[in-house]
Amino acid sequence: EPEVTQTPSHQVTQMGQEVILRCVPISNHLYFYWYRQILGQKVEFLVSFYNNEISEKSEIFDDQFSVERPDGSNFTLKIRSTKLEDSAMYFCASRLTSGNRNEQFFGPGTRLTVL
Amino acid sequence: AQSVTQPDIHITVSEGASLELRCNYSYGATPYLFWYVQSPGQGLQLLLKYFSGDTLVQGIKGFEAEFKRSQSSFNLRKPSVHWSDAAEYFCAVGATSGTYKYIFGTGTRLKVLA
Repeated sequence: EPEVTQTPSHQVTQMGQEVILRCVPISNHLYFYWYRQILGQKVEFLVSFYNNEISEKSEIFDDQFSVERPDGSNFTLKIRSTKLEDSAMYFCASRLTSGNRNEQFFGPGTRLTVL
Repeated sequence: AQSVTQPDIHITVSEGASLELRCNYSYGATPYLFWYVQSPGQGLQLLLKYFSGDTLVQGIKGFEAEFKRSQSSFNLRKPSVHWSDAAEYFCAVGATSGTYKYIFGTGTRLKVLA
């Protein structure tokens, strides 16, 4: 069964460093998302991406964040200069179409630890 | 504004007892509704989903949920809890237009007593 994959599973970085979190969505999906879950808290929407552009972003998704689909398979989240408060689990998700049934398929997550 | 409320932060039940986790939502129309389970340090596992039709939805691991439009609720139930059900449970609303993003509740942590 196709699934969303994410790498790395755990990333440790120093404050101020740039990190890139990688996701491979399900191959024929067209809509892509990033969500964040700070330890012990709920999952929060960060950004949605469709047709090579951001379709919606939350207030969390400030200028330090960017997303890109550099090729036909990867979908990346870049944090330009990490802060301690960026430590969280980051989930990628993808969806097939905008049809009647909106079901997103989530990856296993990347745990980001900023020291 | 769209929102999801899970009023119970923690719930403790004895193994074999029945379980009901509450979820209320605020949305302009009938949304898509989901329940996910998450073990510590792990990802999100989909338990069940509601799009339309029969308001009683069956999921994996013996879970079911009932959509009640009049109460804007989508409560999760299980008739007999197993120790392995101890985890965090998240209710989510899926938007039915726009970017179709999900909005998650704050979660309910389930503890199961042997």
